[in-house]
Amino acid sequence: EVQLVESGGGLVKPGGSLRLSCAASGFSFSSHTMNWVRQAPGKGLEWVSSITSSSSYVYYADSLKGRFTISRDNAKNSLYLQMNSLRVEDTAVYYCAREVATDYYFDYWGQGTLVTVSS
Amino acid sequence: DIQMTQYPSSLSASVGDRVTITCRASQSISTYLNWYQQEPGKAPKLLIYAASSLQSGVPSRFSGSGSGTDFSLTISSLQPEDFATYYCQQSYSTPRYTFGQGTKLEIK
Repeated sequence: EVQLVESGGGLVKPGGSLRLSCAASGFSFSSHTMNWVRQAPGKGLEWVSSITSSSSYVYYADSLKGRFTISRDNAKNSLYLQMNSLRVEDTAVYYCAREVATDYYFDYWGQGTLVTVSS
Repeated sequence: DIQMTQYPSSLSASVGDRVTITCRASQSISTYLNWYQQEPGKAPKLLIYAASSLQSGVPSRFSGSGSGTDFSLTISSLQPEDFATYYCQQSYSTPRYTFGQGTKLEIK
């Protein structure tokens, strides 16, 4: 069974940092591009970042302005999101999602981890 | 960026009704269009990919159609568990995916 389990969320002050993790199991993690998607309270879905299977390519939403860094450790079946210079508007549930390369869709999602940026 | 607009933003319907949700892209995206369902407090769930392909395990009352800029998701006979929020997503400009703003389907 495919499972994605996020962790690392919490309350942080503006300007602070947080590192999210996503533990994958039940599939060949090293074969898939992985993504982070976020959802602000009461709002829609926003794609955040993507990393290819061997970490060769990483991509970010323009709105992040270089504050976030995506990475992965295929030996540990884990995906990460380092978030720096956090802003109030980064408050959201952050989901990791597995990408299917043939038609580019997200077939499995984690349950999400809540990041709250507040003073 | 490709903008995705869903119509309507909310919809009230009854069990057994046939409902259609529309998604429009700001430019042609061929059939690179996916649909997700999200229940309150839960992660999104893939329903339809590549505009019209039904994800494994998804009931056949869900169907998708369209190409270019105009797409639709149809539920042929609403069930109680279908009351949720639905999102379209374009994957034409991968990896710069964009989602529609969502359509909340409520019980009438």
